[in-house]
Parts: sequence; structure tokens; C-alpha cells
Amino acid sequence: QVQLQESGPGLVKPSETLSLTCTVSNGSISSEYHTWMRQSPGKGLEWIGYILYSGSPQYNPALKSRVTISVDTSTNQFSLKLTSVTAADTAVYYCARAPGLTTTVNTKRWALDVWGPGTMVTVSS
Amino acid sequence: VLTQSPATLSLLPGERATLSCRASQIVNNNVAWYQQKPGQAPRLLIYGSSTRATGVPARFSGSGSGTEFTLTISSLQSDDFAVYYCHQYHGWPPNYTFGLGTKVDIK
Repeated sequence: QVQLQESGPGLVKPSETLSLTCTVSNGSISSEYHTWMRQSPGKGLEWIGYILYSGSPQYNPALKSRVTISVDTSTNQFSLKLTSVTAADTAVYYCARAPGLTTTVNTKRWALDVWGPGTMVTVSS
Repeated sequence: VLTQSPATLSLLPGERATLSCRASQIVNNNVAWYQQKPGQAPRLLIYGSSTRATGVPARFSGSGSGTEFTLTISSLQSDDFAVYYCHQYHGWPPNYTFGLGTKVDIK
């Protein structure tokens, strides 16, 4: 059973870079699509971006100028970097995966079927 | 843009819940639904507009295609009171969009 776990600092100073890592257990990181999501306190879900097995990323246009997502197949991890953070970036950050090439069902390939528990990141001085 | 309605649905256990999700453009059947409870990560319920994910009870059903989608809970159980989000993933590669959610609470 695939499991995901986020890790990284829970507190980041304004204007600095938020860096998180997601460790994938029992998954095929080279065949799946890996996503970062966030949820501000009391708000809905916001897609940050994803990276395909090939290493090609796709980002939310609203965050694109500040986001980098990368994957390291040797460690079964993928990472998020968000630059120039402000208080508006305070949120619970989730990593999630879509089955990608591990399924033959086209409509399932992009659905987020496994999520990490989430990690709270606060932007404050 | 995905527009979910209503924002809040107040129902009694045993009642039927009907949640709506409207897309601003055609997304075929590339829609998923998630359930989220307080303090927990979202859980995939439905993908491809109408296919239940593994382990999801049969009282959850999805329908729709194009721009109009519906999640129905046939008979609400106490465990079903939560927030529900729709998600579209149309295109290649898709830009994900999520609705703002519908909260189903106890009347």
C-alpha cells in the first residue's frame, strides 16, 4: 500500500523559501504523478503543482513564478520549494499522488488517490 | 473554475444528500470527488465522474459529464458529515482545479 509522508520546517520567516519533502513508501515513483496541495486555515484546497514520472512539472499559474517541484527517484522523494513567502502562504501542505502509468484506467490516472497526512507551515517572523 | 453548491447542506442522518459541481468549460468526465473531515487529509471517493474508489461505500454515487456533476449520498450516516470537494483534471497535461467545497452538517 502506497504511503506518503511530508517533512520540513514548520516555521518559515517572511521573504524566505519554504522547502518540503515527501517520501513515498511502497510506490513506483517513476510511474506515478506527484502533487503538492495546500489548505489555508479554514479554507479550501489549493493545487500548487505536480511533477510527472518524466520529471516534467506543471504549476498553478497563480504560484508559478515562486514554485519549483522536483523528484529524486534514487530516494523515492519529491520536493517543493516556494520562494518569497508571506503570511498568505501559511497553510497545511499536503503531498499526494495520482496513479499515472500504474493504472490502465485513463480517468483514474490523474485522480489523487493517496495523500500524506499534511504538515502545517506557518510564515512568521 | 469549478462552482460547488450549496456551500452548506444541513441534513438529518438517513436523508439523501445531493451535491452539485459546475465547470465553467467542458471537462468531459474528468472529475473526482473527495471527502475531508476536520484535521484529516482529503480522501478520494469518486473518479471519472462516476467510479467509486476502492473501499468507498455504495451509498456514494457520482454522475454527470461535460460541465454538470453531482455527488449523491443515498442515506447519510454519521460518518458522512464532512466537507466534499470536486476536482477537475481535464486536458494534457491538466491544470487542476478544485471547487470551494460543500459542507454537509447535521441539521
